Amino acid sequence: DVKVTQSSRYLVKRTGEKVFLECVQDMDHENMFWYRQDPGLGLRLIYFSYDVKMKEKGDIPEGYSVSREKKERFSLILESASTNQTSMYLCATVQSFIYGYTFGSGTRLTVV
Amino acid sequence: SQQGEEDPQALSIQEGENATMNCSYKTSINNLQWYRQNSGRGLVHLILIRSNEREKHSGRLRVTLDTSKKSSSLLITASRAADTASYFCATDSGANNAGNMLTFGGGTRLMVKP
Repeated sequence: DVKVTQSSRYLVKRTGEKVFLECVQDMDHENMFWYRQDPGLGLRLIYFSYDVKMKEKGDIPEGYSVSREKKERFSLILESASTNQTSMYLCATVQSFIYGYTFGSGTRLTVV
Repeated sequence: SQQGEEDPQALSIQEGENATMNCSYKTSINNLQWYRQNSGRGLVHLILIRSNEREKHSGRLRVTLDTSKKSSSLLITASRAADTASYFCATDSGANNAGNMLTFGGGTRLMVKP
């Protein structure tokens, strides 16, 4: 089975800090995604990547950046964390549209 | 922006009963998928139905798709307490480089009482 590992389950950071959320997959998948999930708003796409060093903005990229230097790792960066970025962050990966996404367990980030 | 909208937002049933959740979407799709999320965890893929399919089964799950109405339903038969979770529909409109970026609805919270 494909495994998607997010480095932290829970994270507490201070306003203004630079925050790195890491996601690693163990199956050579081309496509990787970062979503945030908030009550009442469902999952919203922040960024996705379809190849190494390639990235595309999703619906809510403001305040975030991403890095994909290696195929297996897709990092989400909060340049200067703010309280409105407190959320559950979910990483996902998929190889082909005939299959569903595989999600990591999520990182619940609290910015204080 | 949310493409899919689930209905109802919350559902409470007794163990053994069937649970039906509905999803409506706005634009044409390549496929529609259903996911399950246990509290505080990541999503797990349940089933995918392509736009040229009308019905699909997987164990106790039955999914239907009506592209003319832009709607889908997920039926869980003979529910168990372990089915308690949130269920999300997601649509793939294929309109990007990846070809398979999903847009998720807000989810249905299902509670199955023992």
